[in-house]
Amino acid sequence: AQSVTQLGSHVSVSEGALVLLRCNYSSSVPPYLFWYVQYPNQGLQLLLKYTSAATLVKGINGFEAEFKKSETSFHLTKPSAHMSDAAEYFCAVRDSSYKLIFGSGTRLLVRP
Amino acid sequence: DGGITQSPKYLFRKEGQNVTLSCEQNLNHDAMYWYRQDPGQGLRLIYYSQIVNDFQKGDIAEGYSVSREKKESFPLTVTSAQKNPTAFYLCASSGETGYEQYFGPGTRLTVT
Repeated sequence: AQSVTQLGSHVSVSEGALVLLRCNYSSSVPPYLFWYVQYPNQGLQLLLKYTSAATLVKGINGFEAEFKKSETSFHLTKPSAHMSDAAEYFCAVRDSSYKLIFGSGTRLLVRP
Repeated sequence: DGGITQSPKYLFRKEGQNVTLSCEQNLNHDAMYWYRQDPGQGLRLIYYSQIVNDFQKGDIAEGYSVSREKKESFPLTVTSAQKNPTAFYLCASSGETGYEQYFGPGTRLTVT
C-alpha cells in the first residue's frame, strides 16, 4: 500500500531564505509523486510531478523537488522564499488504482 | 477557459437536511473525485468515478452519495446520516494518463 509522510506541520522561514519541505513516501510499485499548493479557502494547484523520468523535477513559481529512491523521499525546495509562497503544501503519491494518497500537509510561513 | 467549477462557494444547512454540492468540468476528463478536507488532516477521498455511470467508494463514503450521469458532472450529496458534515469539500478530475489531478475551488459546508 502507498502512504505519504510530511515532516513538520508548520515550517517558518525568512523572506529570501531557502525553503525545504520534507516528504517521504511508501509505495509497493514505482511511484508517481506530486506536490500541490493550497492558498486559504482555495483548491489545490499542482506545483510539480515526478513520473519516472528525470529525478530532479522543476515546477512552477521556482520550486523544484528531487526524487531519491534510496531514501524514499521527494523533498520540495525553493532557493529564496517570497512572501507570496506562504500557503499549505501537500505531497501525494498515486496508488495502483489511479487514486492519490495525500500527506497531512505543511503550512509554510514566510517572515518579512 | 477549461477548468473545474464548484458551486456554491459557501453553503449553510440545518442538521438533518440533505445537501447537494455541484462539480462540473470542461476538461474532457474521464475520472472525477470528491475529497473532504478538515484542518490538520489533509485530504480524504469520499468517492471517485473513472467513467460515466460508474463510481466507487473512497475511504470515507459513509453518509455521502454521488451520481455520474454525464461526463462533465459529478454531484455529491451529503446526507443526514453523515455525522460531522461541516468541512471543506474539493472536487477533482484527471485525464487519460491518470497522473495528476486538477482541483476545483472547493465548497465550504457548514451544518448547524
